[in-house]
Amino acid sequence: NAGVTQTPKFRILKIGQSMTLQCTQDMNHNYMYWYRQDPGMGLKLIYYSVGAGITDKGEVPNGYNVSRSTTEDFPLRLELAAPSQTSVYFCASSYRAGGTEAFFGQGTRLTVV
Amino acid sequence: DQQVKQNSPSLSVQEGRISILNCDYTNSMFDYFLWYKKYPAEGPTFLISISSIKDKNEDGRFTVFLNKSAKHLSLHIVPSQPGDSAVYFCAARLPGGTSYGKLTFGQGTILTVHP
Repeated sequence: NAGVTQTPKFRILKIGQSMTLQCTQDMNHNYMYWYRQDPGMGLKLIYYSVGAGITDKGEVPNGYNVSRSTTEDFPLRLELAAPSQTSVYFCASSYRAGGTEAFFGQGTRLTVV
Repeated sequence: DQQVKQNSPSLSVQEGRISILNCDYTNSMFDYFLWYKKYPAEGPTFLISISSIKDKNEDGRFTVFLNKSAKHLSLHIVPSQPGDSAVYFCAARLPGGTSYGKLTFGQGTILTVHP
């Protein structure tokens, strides 16, 4: 029972490089989310999706892009990495909008140098 | 604008005693509150929740209390165990039709339970 799977677990990027953080869930959840957690801070929502083909911005979307071509996958793209994007990134999914708990992946620790 | 705040960065308690973690919020439109627990190098996991129409919800050793007039909730863990040592996040959600399940998180409180 995999749940929410994120890859990679760790990554070091140079300023200006790009990368895609992968997220896959096997629970057939419609709702998926990307959060980032900075040291000493709570999780902040970057982007979310309410179903395949539908995405929208969260609190801190600048510098990121997402796509949702399938129910299972919700990749997060960083086009021009900046030191301010050094953070731990969490992908999450939930069954429905009115549902309570979201299920989280293990996180991707990204460092931009 | 921090709508959900956990003002205590850390809490240390003895095994067997009560742990009380606090959370304050500013948006009176939040209709659901959740607590997540996070171990190092893992994602947050759901612990317990409470609807805004209730003032208490209990699940085993964990109880969440909601005081709407004070815009305050707390998580009680009784008795505390060393395995409870983790970061605890308080989160809040707007009504389902507008929130799409999005959560607003507090900064987290590091709980350490000493044997």
